[in-house]
Amino acid sequence: QVTLKESGPALVKPTQTLTLTCTFSGFSLSTSAMRVSWIRQPPGKALEWLARIDWDDDKFYSTSLRTRLTISKDTSKDQVVLTMTNMDPVDTATYYCAGGSGTHFDYWGQGTLVTVSS
Amino acid sequence: DIQMTQSPSSVSASVGDRVTITCRASQGISGWLAWYQQKPGKAPNLLIYAASSLQSGVPSRFSGSGSGTDFTLTISSLQPEDFATYYCQQANSFPFTFGPGTKVDIK
Repeated sequence: QVTLKESGPALVKPTQTLTLTCTFSGFSLSTSAMRVSWIRQPPGKALEWLARIDWDDDKFYSTSLRTRLTISKDTSKDQVVLTMTNMDPVDTATYYCAGGSGTHFDYWGQGTLVTVSS
Repeated sequence: DIQMTQSPSSVSASVGDRVTITCRASQGISGWLAWYQQKPGKAPNLLIYAASSLQSGVPSRFSGSGSGTDFTLTISSLQPEDFATYYCQQANSFPFTFGPGTKVDIK
């Protein structure tokens, strides 16, 4: 059974750096073709894909957020970490990690709400 | 970036109705399209991938079709548990992008 769970701060201040961790089980990111993405959703709005890391450490980023995002993995811990710099209130959203072996998202975490406010 | 649009933005329907949602890409994406269902307060759930492949465990009343720029998701006979918001997602090229969503609610 595949599970993913996001963890991180519920509240961050403007200009701070957000660090989110996705801890997963039921698959390994050292297995060929496995991938983990981060996706966010502001309250009442649509989904927005942020970044993806692949089993071979290839990384891909949102065009508009590329300069603020870093995605990394710790295969030994079955974790993927996303950092987002210079947080702003417009970054308030539920952040999801999602995984799978294709270009779609088979498995999703429950999401974690991050509020950006002073 | 490839822009995704969906129509309608919302639809009111009754149990048993046939519902069709359209998704359009700003450029050709071959068959690299997925559909997700999202209920309030929950994570999205994959329904269809590669435009027409039904994800394991998803009821057969859901079907997808299309290629290139125009795609459809059809629910053949709407059930009470199908009232939700539906999103399309292109996976042809990075960055991946989602449509704005279509809300299906009770008539």
